Amino acid sequence: AQSVAQPEDQVNVAEGNPLTVKCTYSVSGNPYLFWYVQYPNRGLQFLLKYITGDNLVKGSYGFEAEFNKSQTSFHLKKPSALVSDSALYFCAVRDEANDYKLSFGAGTTVTVRA
Amino acid sequence: NAGVTQTPKFRVLKTGQSMTLLCAQDMNHEYMYWYRQDPGMGLRLIHYSVGEGTTAKGEVPDGYNVSRLKKQNFLLGLESAAPSQTSVYFCASSSAKRLTGELFFGEGSRLTVL
Repeated sequence: AQSVAQPEDQVNVAEGNPLTVKCTYSVSGNPYLFWYVQYPNRGLQFLLKYITGDNLVKGSYGFEAEFNKSQTSFHLKKPSALVSDSALYFCAVRDEANDYKLSFGAGTTVTVRA
Repeated sequence: NAGVTQTPKFRVLKTGQSMTLLCAQDMNHEYMYWYRQDPGMGLRLIHYSVGEGTTAKGEVPDGYNVSRLKKQNFLLGLESAAPSQTSVYFCASSSAKRLTGELFFGEGSRLTVL
């Protein structure tokens, strides 16, 4: 079975400070990992993914994520947060042996204060 | 450039009533999904389809039915609505055969069952 944990319900940072949103996963095979962002009253938008290769993945809007196999983590990061980054962030995982189903974490609400 | 379109966006039902949510995508994607989003629980997969004429159960299929008569459309039905089905429903689609690709989401349908 595959699962994702986002240990923090909320993350609060000041604009210009680094932002980190944590994610850990559990799969039986090799993981495919994704980050999505949801703005109020909108659908989810894809940010970035890790499939294979370089452990540091760069995505949209200046976000990046680091895959750490030994710690089974895929934390989302942004060096300098903007107020417009305030949103709900979801980590998701798919096991390579489980083609169709994408499992989502519960989500982390990010608030960036001016 | 519509992408994934869901109708209706809002609906209020009484317990026991039936309704159908329609999802339409114009990207020629093979795979389509219905998720529900509830506070603190992330997104849970209800049903999915890997092609026209095929459907399969996800994590929480009870109380829902689906049909994929045309490749571009994926319908979610509630035969006898219950208050526990109050939620925000998201449709998504994806094209990648091994599903290393991202999902494209609709804007959501907010359903309230009284």
